[in-house]
Amino acid sequence: GESVGLHLPTLSVQEGDNSIINCAYSNSASDYFIWYKQESGKGPQFIIDIRSNMDKRQGQRVTVLLNKTVKHLSLQIAATQPGDSAVYFCAEYNNNDMRFGAGTRLTVKP
Amino acid sequence: ETGVTQSPTHLIKTRGQQVTLRCSSQSGHNTVSWYQQALGQGPQFIFQYYREEENGRGNFPPRFSGLQFPNYSSELNVNALELDDSALYLCASNVQGTGSPLHFGNGTRLTVT
Repeated sequence: GESVGLHLPTLSVQEGDNSIINCAYSNSASDYFIWYKQESGKGPQFIIDIRSNMDKRQGQRVTVLLNKTVKHLSLQIAATQPGDSAVYFCAEYNNNDMRFGAGTRLTVKP
Repeated sequence: ETGVTQSPTHLIKTRGQQVTLRCSSQSGHNTVSWYQQALGQGPQFIFQYYREEENGRGNFPPRFSGLQFPNYSSELNVNALELDDSALYLCASNVQGTGSPLHFGNGTRLTVT
């Protein structure tokens, strides 16, 4: 079956550097994509979303890029801070059904 | 604005027992979705409720059932608990038909012994 997946399970960056978290999806019918951040002991927290008619969307310190040709999604975090340490999930949304990947653990080193 | 709240936060049950988890949706939201998150994995879709009816279901057996109430709150019931049911159960809400993101509660940690 089709599923959402991530290229790397862990990512370690220096404080102040930029972070890039990648995600591959396989359901070409998905039309809405979301990035969530999950800290220990908490539920997933919405970061940013993008619809399939866009290829880039920017928020505060975060940018999501969507490449529909290769079915790839990425989350860029500028000037990564210790508070950004968490597990990041991409999710694809199709027909009222949201599916998550396994997640990438981001660790920010001081 | 009140966010999604879940109760209890932690629960320990014995194999074979039944459990009920509760969720209050975010104010203004009319759709509730339930997810199971095993340790180190992403959330897995269980089902969604809208207008007090199941509106989509993932690959979970019938012993996982739910309810939605007129105030949009919801329950997840699991019968005949198995050890593999140990997980974090997440509730999320949004507004049906608006293409809005799910807003999650902090979950109920269920341990089955």
